[in-house]
Amino acid sequence: AQSVTQPDIHITVSEGASLELRCNYSYGATPYLFWYVQSPGQGLQLLLKYFSGDTLVQGIKGFEAEFKRSQSSLNLRKPSVHWSDAAEYFCAVGSGGGADGLTFGKGTHLIIQP
Amino acid sequence: DTEVTQTPKHLVMGMTNKKSLKCEQHMGHRAMYWYKQKAKKPPELMFVYSYEKLSINESVPSRFSPECPNSSLLNLHLHALQPEDSALYLCASSQEAGGVQPQHFGDGTRLSIL
Repeated sequence: AQSVTQPDIHITVSEGASLELRCNYSYGATPYLFWYVQSPGQGLQLLLKYFSGDTLVQGIKGFEAEFKRSQSSLNLRKPSVHWSDAAEYFCAVGSGGGADGLTFGKGTHLIIQP
Repeated sequence: DTEVTQTPKHLVMGMTNKKSLKCEQHMGHRAMYWYKQKAKKPPELMFVYSYEKLSINESVPSRFSPECPNSSLLNLHLHALQPEDSALYLCASSQEAGGVQPQHFGDGTRLSIL
């Protein structure tokens, strides 16, 4: 069965500093991977998706992610964080076929220090 | 602004009440989903509708009854809920069912069971 692991429950970053959130997946075939962000009291917003091809994926809000097959990872990065980036970040994996939903990681809570 | 609209935003109900959650999307998507999200946890898939037919029911208790009247609407009928059912209920849609498609989420209905 597919699964996703986000090793960091909380991460604290100073405003203006760079950010990297980790995501490792377990899936037998080519994974379909997604990063979502959830602000308090809101739904999930898609930041980016990886299906295949280029290992560097650009997303919205200045985020990007690098896919590394050898490490089974799709880590999310941002060069310079803003206070508004404080939120919960979820990595998710979808199966290649069937009518499945997404399997989410446990999430990483991002705290921005002034 | 989200393209998936959920109503109501908040709902408080007793254990003997009957209520419904509503979800609407006008993106022409043919797959719609219900997820349940407890505090500080990732969303958990409940139901998947594909072309207005129920394709996945993740062993959800019968006190939750989904309905898809047409391709734009998704309802979740609630009856005789338990306090542990208090959660954020998220609706999502995607172009087609299956994990290859990114899902678009609404802002959710926060449900409290007294």
